[in-house]
Amino acid sequence: TQLLEQSPQFLSIQEGENLTVYCNSSSVFSSLQWYRQEPGEGPVLLVTVVTGGEVKKLKRLTFQFGDARKDSSLHITAAQPGDTGLYLCAGPTSGTYKYIFGTGTRLKVLA
Amino acid sequence: DVKVTQSSRYLVKRTGEKVFLECVQDMDHENMFWYRQDPGLGLRLIYFSYDVKMKEKGDIPEGYSVSREKKERFSLILESASTNQTSMYLCASSLWDRGGGYTFGSGTRLTVV
Repeated sequence: TQLLEQSPQFLSIQEGENLTVYCNSSSVFSSLQWYRQEPGEGPVLLVTVVTGGEVKKLKRLTFQFGDARKDSSLHITAAQPGDTGLYLCAGPTSGTYKYIFGTGTRLKVLA
Repeated sequence: DVKVTQSSRYLVKRTGEKVFLECVQDMDHENMFWYRQDPGLGLRLIYFSYDVKMKEKGDIPEGYSVSREKKERFSLILESASTNQTSMYLCASSLWDRGGGYTFGSGTRLTVV
């Protein structure tokens, strides 16, 4: 069974600090996605990483896919209150159209 | 922009009622999904569909059914609502190629009393 575990589960930081969120699995994924979900809304896709070792940047957010395609990280530089939300990683399960989702990291950035 | 529209943001229903949750997407996506999201349990897949009139059970299909008569519309039906079906319901769609991720709707918060 493919599983995605995220750490930490909760993170509360001050505005301006840096942080890293991790998404780990014992299984290989063909791609991984990162989503952000704000309270009362559906998750919004931030990025898809496909190639092992790939790094993608989205303004202050940096996403990395592990060389073995079993893990990924999300680094936020100089966090802002607008970054507050639930961050989810997800990946397609082998041979199906279904995605599995990570356990989520709930981030709160205090002004 | 791809849009996935869920018909209601908030619903309150009584125990035993039949409940319909509607989802429409406007980008010709082949795949559509229904999830529920509960604190501490994350996102759990109820049903998905990869083509018109095709459906497959997800991880927690009990007490639910679905209908996909048109490519753009995927309906979730609670046959007889129960209090343990109080949850946030999320519809999503994706292309057939499995690699591009989902587009989610804004969700329907259902309360069964």
